[in-house]
Amino acid sequence: DQQVKQNSPSLSVQEGRISILNCDYTNSMFDYFLWYKKYPAEGPTFLISISSIKDKNEDGRFTVFLNKSAKHLSLHIVPSQPGDSAVYFCAATGANNLFFGTGTRLTVIP
Amino acid sequence: DTGVSQDPRHKITKRGQNVTFRCDPISEHNRLYWYRQTLGQGPEFLTYFQNEAQLEKSRLLSDRFSAERPKGSFSTLEIQRTEQGDSAMYLCASSLSFLPWNTGELFFGEGSRLTVL
Repeated sequence: DQQVKQNSPSLSVQEGRISILNCDYTNSMFDYFLWYKKYPAEGPTFLISISSIKDKNEDGRFTVFLNKSAKHLSLHIVPSQPGDSAVYFCAATGANNLFFGTGTRLTVIP
Repeated sequence: DTGVSQDPRHKITKRGQNVTFRCDPISEHNRLYWYRQTLGQGPEFLTYFQNEAQLEKSRLLSDRFSAERPKGSFSTLEIQRTEQGDSAMYLCASSLSFLPWNTGELFFGEGSRLTVL
């Protein structure tokens, strides 16, 4: 049973515009949420996280929003750059493990 | 390079053969994790170590899989009698145990891709 879901397998955005990547989860016990970025032939790299006690966390061009009542989080990238083109994984944790979504491939068009 | 390193990067084997992957974590990291990623899926947890102790195993880790971390440094993941369904990317990750685990900040290696023919 997939506890973390990313329903959009791909997203294309024009350079300079906003990219919004979405993630839904089912387990209300999750207390931290993370986003990882993955380039081809590389392992995932940590991007940004948010605690369940917050509803927003910002780091430069990246902002994560958490809506606990909807069990939904999103990653906003503004402005999008061609170097942001990668697969983005949403992940959640509540114990000693991370549960990952299936990923969204973001393509930023120059 | 002080990141997580994995070897080999790619392994092609015939069904029924045994394979072993090695992971060298970041030197000061006490926790080491193994994940598996199949095509179109996110990484799935297999097992993790705190120093040399294997503390948790996923039900994905069948009897054909064994992981070790002697002396709490590098780790090996062995798959015996490989099956075509074992074809996947095997990812190793490490983290500092004294950081609150709930930050979930894992540092991943580049992975070892297994192809079982």
